[in-house]
Amino acid sequence: AQTVTQSQPEMSVQEAETVTLSCTYDTSESNYYLFWYKQPPSRQMILVIRQEAYKQQNATENRFSVNFQKAAKSFSLKISDSQLGDTAMYFCAFMKPGGGTSYGKLTFGQGTILTVHP
Amino acid sequence: EPEVTQTPSHQVTQMGQEVILRCVPISNHLYFYWYRQILGQKVEFLVSFYNNEISEKSEIFDDQFSVERPDGSNFTLKIRSTKLEDSAMYFCASSQTRRGSSQAGAYGYTFGSGTRLTVV
Repeated sequence: AQTVTQSQPEMSVQEAETVTLSCTYDTSESNYYLFWYKQPPSRQMILVIRQEAYKQQNATENRFSVNFQKAAKSFSLKISDSQLGDTAMYFCAFMKPGGGTSYGKLTFGQGTILTVHP
Repeated sequence: EPEVTQTPSHQVTQMGQEVILRCVPISNHLYFYWYRQILGQKVEFLVSFYNNEISEKSEIFDDQFSVERPDGSNFTLKIRSTKLEDSAMYFCASSQTRRGSSQAGAYGYTFGSGTRLTVV
């Protein structure tokens, strides 16, 4: 079974600064997908960024980028130029490819509460 | 942008009562999911649904739970006899993939805004 660990329960950052959220996972799979989801106070789950394990290049989406270290099973999220609207709970999630007996189930970490201060 | 719609946003029910949570997934999505999040805790997988049947379920999803897609658009989660520990946020999600593809969910899900279930 896969496990996902987020070791930082809470983080804070000043507006316009950069912050990195950590995530490690454990799997015996060689191909998989990794995601970061954002959950603001409204409680909606919003996809921030995704990474395919067979791609060595780190994914980026505007101010959001990841540092994917496959051998170390590490998948951290870097938020540059932090904005007040980035205040949210951030979840790291793992997915085996769908097909066979797996239909895209997500395994989530415990979450990191990020607070951006003005 | 297409959305996954969940109703109601908040439901209060008495212990032992049946409750039905409703979801309208994105119309061209083929895989549907329910997750729950007990307050302050992580998001947990309940069940996935494809081709009008359950494709995978977790240990949480016991005989008290059922899902169905009664009319080709709605996707419902029923809890037959609610317990206090069923109080949680329930999220529906759907994923974009091609029929028969092995890439179910690979592009990430679209989640609904959730239903907060309170059992008293």
